[in-house]
Amino acid sequence: GDSVTQMEGPVTLSEEAFLTINCTYTATGYPSLFWYVQYPGEGLQLLLKATKADDKGSNKGFEATYRKETTSFHLEKGSVQVSDSAVYFCARAGANNLFFGTGTRLTVIP
Amino acid sequence: GAVVSQHPSRVICKSGTSVKIECRSLDFQATTMFWYRQFPKQSLMLMATSNEGSKATYEQGVEKDKFLINHASLTLSTLTVTSAHPEDSSFYICSAPRGSGGHNEQFFGPGTRLTVL
Repeated sequence: GDSVTQMEGPVTLSEEAFLTINCTYTATGYPSLFWYVQYPGEGLQLLLKATKADDKGSNKGFEATYRKETTSFHLEKGSVQVSDSAVYFCARAGANNLFFGTGTRLTVIP
Repeated sequence: GAVVSQHPSRVICKSGTSVKIECRSLDFQATTMFWYRQFPKQSLMLMATSNEGSKATYEQGVEKDKFLINHASLTLSTLTVTSAHPEDSSFYICSAPRGSGGHNEQFFGPGTRLTVL
């Protein structure tokens, strides 16, 4: 079965809107969790991560909290910008590799 | 932070030719590297795990004779697409982990866009 389940897109928001992209995971134990971002024409970049339960990862105004009770790692941003338009991937660590969600395409319109 | 490079960034080739893509970890050693394939508007699909000093491990459905992987050193893995065909056109991405167990972090190369005519 899927290790990471991510909200399907695409998502279109107006500038300054609030963003939530849901992500839940299945795992044995408490692996590190990640959000990666892929801007148009570029490779994946790590956006933020959390290595243990209740940790909050944050970067560039984005936040995600590692919630073991709900096995979730939802991505949020209070006010999106046009430059945030990209594909966002939730991932969890495996023994050596990563298990990715299917990605959520975000388009922010001015 | 750690850097992973890929070369070339883009390649266009004729059907039937072979193409080699290099993945290098620039400031750390990686005994393992991963090769992914990304189709348009889809997630990354793990193709294989490249192991330094031993054979690569391929995911189900990936032809090992078509996608040759060689992990020549602790900082270099190569993926060779042999006898490429238009359906092999895709975005190929490598990654290398740092750390261990369930707390490793993956560093990704910028990707190689392969177009087979």
